[in-house]
Amino acid sequence: EDQVTQSPEALRLQEGESSSLNCSYTVSGLRGLFWYRQDPGKGPEFLFTLYSAGEEKEKERLKATLTKKESFLHITAPKPEDSATYLCAVQKTSGSRLTFGEGTQLTVNP
Amino acid sequence: EAQVTQNPRYLITVTGKKLTVTCSQNMNHEYMSWYRQDPGLGLRQIYYSMNVEVTDKGDVPEGYKVSRKEKRNFPLILESPSPNQTSLYFCASSFRGTSGRELGEQYFGPGTRLTVT
Repeated sequence: EDQVTQSPEALRLQEGESSSLNCSYTVSGLRGLFWYRQDPGKGPEFLFTLYSAGEEKEKERLKATLTKKESFLHITAPKPEDSATYLCAVQKTSGSRLTFGEGTQLTVNP
Repeated sequence: EAQVTQNPRYLITVTGKKLTVTCSQNMNHEYMSWYRQDPGLGLRQIYYSMNVEVTDKGDVPEGYKVSRKEKRNFPLILESPSPNQTSLYFCASSFRGTSGRELGEQYFGPGTRLTVT
């Protein structure tokens, strides 16, 4: 069965304290892995797409990496405005469904 | 402005009363999808559409119907809502990649909070 597991469920950081969020997946063939950010009461907002192991993408304080079994979202020197729930999702090669993980709720304290 | 709109944003209804949640996008996207979000269960895909007149089931399609008669619109229909369909619903759209199978970045609507009593 396809699974997407995110850890930790919740993470509290001090402003400037770098850390990483994990998304591990078990699917029979990965077409793409997506990262989204969701603020309370709003729809998810796209961050990155990764397609193959070894790929990395960066945007401001965020950097996403991909291996054959997991993806990491690295947050460097976070700010309070980075507080949100971060979601990852996978698309298999065999179709166009998207399977989301349950998310990591990140809180950055000033 | 590029956007996905959903209506209504909030809806309280009773068991068995048919309802439709509309979704419209102005970006000429081929792919559209419906999700529900529940605490502890995350975002789960209900139905998706690769293009006009092409729809397919996601992970939790039971109790829902969709149609894609126009490229911009993708309504979600609950023929006989039940309390277990109380949830936050999101519509999303994206382009398809050059091979036709990859998904581009999805744009999400603002959500529809549905309560079925």
